[in-house]
Amino acid sequence: DQQVKQNSPSLSVQEGRISILNCDYTNSMFDYFLWYKKYPAEGPTFLISISSIKDKNEDGRFTVFLNKSAKHLSLHIVPSQPGDSAVYFCAASAQSGGSNYKLTFGKGTLLTVNP
Amino acid sequence: DAGITQSPRYKITETGRQVTLMCHQTWSHSYMFWYRQDLGHGLRLIYYSAAADITDKGEVPDGYVVSRSKTENFPLTLESATRSQTSVYFCATLRSTEAFFGQGTRLTVV
Repeated sequence: DQQVKQNSPSLSVQEGRISILNCDYTNSMFDYFLWYKKYPAEGPTFLISISSIKDKNEDGRFTVFLNKSAKHLSLHIVPSQPGDSAVYFCAASAQSGGSNYKLTFGKGTLLTVNP
Repeated sequence: DAGITQSPRYKITETGRQVTLMCHQTWSHSYMFWYRQDLGHGLRLIYYSAAADITDKGEVPDGYVVSRSKTENFPLTLESATRSQTSVYFCATLRSTEAFFGQGTRLTVV
């Protein structure tokens, strides 16, 4: 049973436009969410995170939105750049449950930004 | 400052052979993890360690063994490699709520 779901295996957008990557979760114990970016032949790198006490967190071109009632989060990239082309993983953890050390990942979404 | 280093980067081994993947961190993060990345499965946790001499199973531990005699090292051993263990393996450490990953080891079992 997959607890973190990224239902879109791939997404293609034009340079300068907005990219929206979606993630759903089923475990109500999850209260901390992260996005990782992965280039080919490299390890994933941390991008942005959000705690369940917030519904939005912004860092430059990247914004993560959290809808707790829908158990849904999304990553917005504005404007998208060709260098953003990578696989994006959504991850979740249950900090208040004492399991903050365990990250559960989704399957990833391959974002391609076309020049 | 290398942070977290995995070796080898690439490995080809035969079915039934034992193979060990190495992971070394230059920080002193308590938690360390091994994940495997497979198409259609994303990143799945194999084993993790809370400190030296403390290890526990993750989501897909079968066929793997870990040890952690020193805080900085966390080797992963495939005792008898199978083709289903062909994958990309990532080691990671944890600082607060953020995981830091190594560059990965691409393992092919033939």
